[in-house]
Amino acid sequence: AQRVTQPEKLLSVFKGAPVELKCNYSYSGSPELFWYVQYSRQRLQLLLRHISRESIKGFTADLNKGETSFHLKKPFAQEEDSAMYYCALNTNAGKSTFGDGTTLTVKP
Amino acid sequence: DAGVTQSPTHLIKTRGQHVTLRCSPISGHKSVSWYQQVLGQGPQFIFQYYEKEERGRGNFPDRFSARQFPNYSSELNVNALLLGDSALYLCASSLDYLGRWNEQFFGPGTRLTVL
Repeated sequence: AQRVTQPEKLLSVFKGAPVELKCNYSYSGSPELFWYVQYSRQRLQLLLRHISRESIKGFTADLNKGETSFHLKKPFAQEEDSAMYYCALNTNAGKSTFGDGTTLTVKP
Repeated sequence: DAGVTQSPTHLIKTRGQHVTLRCSPISGHKSVSWYQQVLGQGPQFIFQYYEKEERGRGNFPDRFSARQFPNYSSELNVNALLLGDSALYLCASSLDYLGRWNEQFFGPGTRLTVL
């Protein structure tokens, strides 16, 4: 069975500071990993996916298969980054597993 | 396109009753997935329906069932409601089968309260 763990429920940083949201997973197969974000009063939406290897809104995430991690990083946090962030894992068996989320607050 | 739509927005039921929740995917999307989200937790996967067939199931009892129609819309049914079924139910659609790196587009959810 697959599992996604986001160890921090809450994370608070000051504007301009680096931010890292942690995600650890367990899955015996080849994982498809995603980060989803939910801004206040908005729907859950995709932020980025591992396979794309792109930077979205300044965020990047690197898959570390040895440590089974997919941490989300941004070098300089902005106030508009304040939101709930979910790490998710999809399997080729058609299932999707989400972590419990991290609430990021960026203080001015 | 209005995106993924769900109905109703809110629903109040009593224990033992049955409920049907509805979801319309984005036009052209063939996969619909259902999630249960309890306060303070992430979305918990219930089902994926792709091309009108169940293609993935989470750890939910048989009281939970779903189906997908020829127009790719979907219904989630829950029988014999329990207090613990109170939650936000999310529907998500994707262009293709979940498990091929497909992005999920989420609806606003249906808030179910069981009294």
